[in-house]
Amino acid sequence: KQEVTQIPAALSVPEGENLVLNCSFTDSAIYNLQWFRQDPGKGLTSLLLIQSSQREQTSGRLNASLDKSSGRSTLYIAASQPGDSATYLCAVRGNNNDMRFGAGTRLTVKP
Amino acid sequence: SAVISQKPSRDICQRGTSLTIQCQVDSQVTMMFWYRQQPGQSLTLIATANQGSEATYESGFVIDKFPISRPNLTFSTLTVSNMSPEDSSIYLCSVNAAGAAEQFFGPGTRLTVL
Repeated sequence: KQEVTQIPAALSVPEGENLVLNCSFTDSAIYNLQWFRQDPGKGLTSLLLIQSSQREQTSGRLNASLDKSSGRSTLYIAASQPGDSATYLCAVRGNNNDMRFGAGTRLTVKP
Repeated sequence: SAVISQKPSRDICQRGTSLTIQCQVDSQVTMMFWYRQQPGQSLTLIATANQGSEATYESGFVIDKFPISRPNLTFSTLTVSNMSPEDSSIYLCSVNAAGAAEQFFGPGTRLTVL
């Protein structure tokens, strides 16, 4: 069964810093990996989707990488802003179409 | 992308009652998923709902407790039956269309059971 782990569980940084969130998974036979953002009490917003054949995806200040063979993905956030404060979830979709989530990283960006 | 709405957005219910949550998608989708997010936890898949067939439940979830309907390609319901305080969670509907890789989520239904 796929296990997804996110490190760190929580992170607090001053505004303007670049930061990296980590995600690891135990089964490398994946279909894709998706990063989400969740604000308190809200649903999930899709940030970036990386197909199993891809190495990275970029959107604005966000860059996500995927190393399938080692079971790792990182989400890089450049020039962090207070509005980036949220919980970031990594989810891995298997070839049987089910999606497994990590526990998330709770990010706080201080003004 | 898919736009997903859920009703109700939140509810407070008494122990022993049942609540039906509705999920509406703005396009036809093959697969719909129901997730639960308990307080402070990540998401756990409850079941996969395919139109025209019985829902497929994950380990630890049963049809008697979480009956699901999927009458067409744009709509599904999840019922939380005989509720207890342990059922207090956010329940999220999610979709991905056939051939589409990206998964989308509804805004969630926040359920509190007293």
